[in-house]
Amino acid sequence: QQQVKQSPQSLIVQKGGISIINCAYENTAFDYFPWYQQFPGKGPALLIAIRPDVSEKKEGRFTISFNKSAKQFSLHIMDSQPGDSATYFCAASWENRDDKIIFGKGTRLHILP
Amino acid sequence: DGGITQSPKYLFRKEGQNVTLSCEQNLNHDAMYWYRQDPGQGLRLIYYSQIVNDFQKGDIAEGYSVSREKKESFPLTVTSAQKNPTAFYLCASSPRPPGEGQPQHFGDGTRLSIL
Repeated sequence: QQQVKQSPQSLIVQKGGISIINCAYENTAFDYFPWYQQFPGKGPALLIAIRPDVSEKKEGRFTISFNKSAKQFSLHIMDSQPGDSATYFCAASWENRDDKIIFGKGTRLHILP
Repeated sequence: DGGITQSPKYLFRKEGQNVTLSCEQNLNHDAMYWYRQDPGQGLRLIYYSQIVNDFQKGDIAEGYSVSREKKESFPLTVTSAQKNPTAFYLCASSPRPPGEGQPQHFGDGTRLSIL
């Protein structure tokens, strides 16, 4: 019940295309859903995050879509660039109740030049 | 610049040897975390600490130990009891609790290999 399931495991997209990564959760107590971006040899860094009272959040080329009834959320990267090639992790936590974040297993994204 | 410093970047361990990974933060964060990252496994929580002199086991604590004597420091010891220690280890910190506007910040990791 504490799992966050992420798909696909790897993704190849042409430059300029749309990259889509999906995540699903079971625990309805989760109330904070961040996405982290990790480059090789580096630690993950927060990319964008959303709360379940919002259906969509956009920051530049990055958009989170959230479907509370389906318990699913996704990251869309518009106009994907080679510099976006990285591993992406979705995550979930209980804000103000717990100090743990539950991470998905990650998606390795490669943007073809 | 505020951040998290992990050292060393690469570490080699002989069979039967304990090794300690360093993690220092100057973000004034109360909570600190250790994760293990293996290919295709995501980030698995080893230990976390919410306050000085207190820490809790995560999902894969066996074969590891930690201490939290100072707010800034959260070293991880990989003991000889950890049979498969080869991995990328990540330290993180956050204000308590992590949430909107208070994300976890990560160091750049230590890659541990067995000789």
